[in-house]
Amino acid sequence: AQTVTQSQPEMSVQEAETVTLSCTYDTSESDYYLFWYKQPPSRQMILVIRQEAYKQQNATENRFSVNFQKAAKSFSLKISDSQLGDAAMYFCAYSHITGNQFYFGTGTSLTVIP
Amino acid sequence: GAVVSQHPSWVICKSGTSVKIECRSLDFQATTMFWYRQFPKQSLMLMATSNEGSKATYEQGVEKDKFLINHASLTLSTLTVTSAHPEDSSFYICSAPSRAGTGELFFGEGSRLTVL
Repeated sequence: AQTVTQSQPEMSVQEAETVTLSCTYDTSESDYYLFWYKQPPSRQMILVIRQEAYKQQNATENRFSVNFQKAAKSFSLKISDSQLGDAAMYFCAYSHITGNQFYFGTGTSLTVIP
Repeated sequence: GAVVSQHPSWVICKSGTSVKIECRSLDFQATTMFWYRQFPKQSLMLMATSNEGSKATYEQGVEKDKFLINHASLTLSTLTVTSAHPEDSSFYICSAPSRAGTGELFFGEGSRLTVL
């Protein structure tokens, strides 16, 4: 089975600064999807960013960008100009290409310091 | 975007009673839905996969007689916690995969169950 590893249980960042959350995964598949989901205190899961494995270009969504290293099976999330509202639990996730198998990392709790 | 709605958001029940949680896909048909359980400050743990018109597939270690899952229509899946005990208290989240081929999961708001 695929595994997703987030080695940073907790991270903190000063408001307006940049922070990078790490994620590695293990798979024998060549095509798949990777995601970062955010879970704020409300506990609603919110999609932050999505990457298709066959695309070499790193995905970007406003202040959020990823560094996707397919050979290294690494998928880190960079948050630029951090805002107080970015404080949340962040989950890295892997999806089989069919979308019927989904695997979550253990999560990274991000604190934003005013 | 696609929306998944979960109800109730909060439920408190007495030990020994049963509780039903509903998960609805509001603007798309979901032949498959996933049910997760989440403990505080932990990741989502997949409990089972519900399939419209057939039996749910349970993950190893999940009691299928305690956590009854029914997927009666293309827009509704239900999780019933039977004979609830305090250790069943948790946060339960449902989700449905996108049918647009994006691999994305759409999540319900979650349901917090407290068993007294």
